[in-house]
Amino acid sequence: KNQVEQSPQSLIILEGKNCTLQCNYTVSPFSNLRWYKQDTGRGPVSLTIMTFSENTKSNGRYTATLDADTKQSSLHITASQLSDSASYICVVSAGSSNTGKLIFGQGTTLQVKP
Amino acid sequence: NAGVTQTPKFRVLKTGQSMTLLCAQDMNHEYMYWYRQDPGMGLRLIHYSVGEGTTAKGEVPDGYNVSRLKKQNFLLGLESAAPSQTSVYFCASSRDRGILAKNIQYFGAGTRLSVL
Repeated sequence: KNQVEQSPQSLIILEGKNCTLQCNYTVSPFSNLRWYKQDTGRGPVSLTIMTFSENTKSNGRYTATLDADTKQSSLHITASQLSDSASYICVVSAGSSNTGKLIFGQGTTLQVKP
Repeated sequence: NAGVTQTPKFRVLKTGQSMTLLCAQDMNHEYMYWYRQDPGMGLRLIHYSVGEGTTAKGEVPDGYNVSRLKKQNFLLGLESAAPSQTSVYFCASSRDRGILAKNIQYFGAGTRLSVL
């Protein structure tokens, strides 16, 4: 069964600190992996998309890594800001380009405190 | 540029009532999607459309109907609402098809629906 599991479920950090969110997946065949940020009361917004051949991708203070062998991804947030408080969703694409689907993780809720 | 706009933002229904959720996008995207988001679960695809006049079932289509009469609009209907349909509904659109890496989905702000 195709699954995407994220950890931790929730996280509280102090402003300025770094944090790492984890995503493990059991999806086959794998196509690509995405990280989305969802602010409270808003829709998800794409942060990064990585294909099988990409190990790391950055978007400002956000850096995503992918280990296709162990089927793990992480999202590292550097020098956190209050505006980073949100839910972060890992999404894995499975299947062929025409018939495949996106499988969403349940998200990690991050709260950054001053 | 508004992107993806959903109306209404909030709605409370009684069991058995019907309603339609409207999604409008101004990016000239071919593909549009309806998802539901429930606590502790990932987004689940209800229905999607690959172009004007087309619709297809997603992962959880039962109890919902959709229509795409115009390219920019995608409507989600609940004919007889049930408490199990209490959820947050998100519409999304994309330029490209399916799961390709270049397929970035743009989401609306969501509709919070409660069915009593």
